[in-house]
Amino acid sequence: DSGVTQTPKHLITATGQRVTLRCSPRSGDLSVYWYQQSLDQGLQFLIHYYNGEERAKGNILERFSAQQFPDLHSELNLSSLELGDSALYFCASSVEASSYNEQFFGPGTRLTVL
Amino acid sequence: AQSVAQPEDQVNVAEGNPLTVKCTYSVSGNPYLFWYVQYPNRGLQFLLKYITGDNLVKGSYGFEAEFNKSQTSFHLKKPSALVSDSALYFCAVDTGGGFKTIFGAGTRLFVKA
Repeated sequence: DSGVTQTPKHLITATGQRVTLRCSPRSGDLSVYWYQQSLDQGLQFLIHYYNGEERAKGNILERFSAQQFPDLHSELNLSSLELGDSALYFCASSVEASSYNEQFFGPGTRLTVL
Repeated sequence: AQSVAQPEDQVNVAEGNPLTVKCTYSVSGNPYLFWYVQYPNRGLQFLLKYITGDNLVKGSYGFEAEFNKSQTSFHLKKPSALVSDSALYFCAVDTGGGFKTIFGAGTRLFVKA
């Protein structure tokens, strides 16, 4: 158990809908990262937050947004969902925003868009 | 732009034999290199990292990796494979300042009893 929690575990929804994925980092970790894992794209970095502020953006679509709250939990919002958004979404946390800190991954949320 | 390549989609090895999972990288600055493992239906788990210093890095579960600057490689190794090592392995790189980590495509390791 990494100490990172993600809810829900599974999510099934329809195209055009909006969903929110939630992540709670390990106790004491200030950085939260979001990743999308799909069979054809591999593990793609989406966005990084540190202590409530956005630090880096990766291949995140404009339909997707995220935020980190004062209690350090984070939410990833996915809107106008398309079939291609079906994937595993992982959250990871680390102590700081330093590039040499390893990340601790949550169990993921499996999103299925029908 | 920084990138990571894992040239093998799959590696097969017999239990008890040494294993190597290959990784090469391309970065503009000094690399910070990581290996993670993913078991079925689980999130990634950190194995080891290279930041600076000794080129041979030891990590969890008996794994080690060798940083080779001239060949821009960071291969993962284990002297004696176990069936339980069968999993998906990811190499990752970060150059610092960008606050983001780039992962390779992953290599699936099969260890046969």
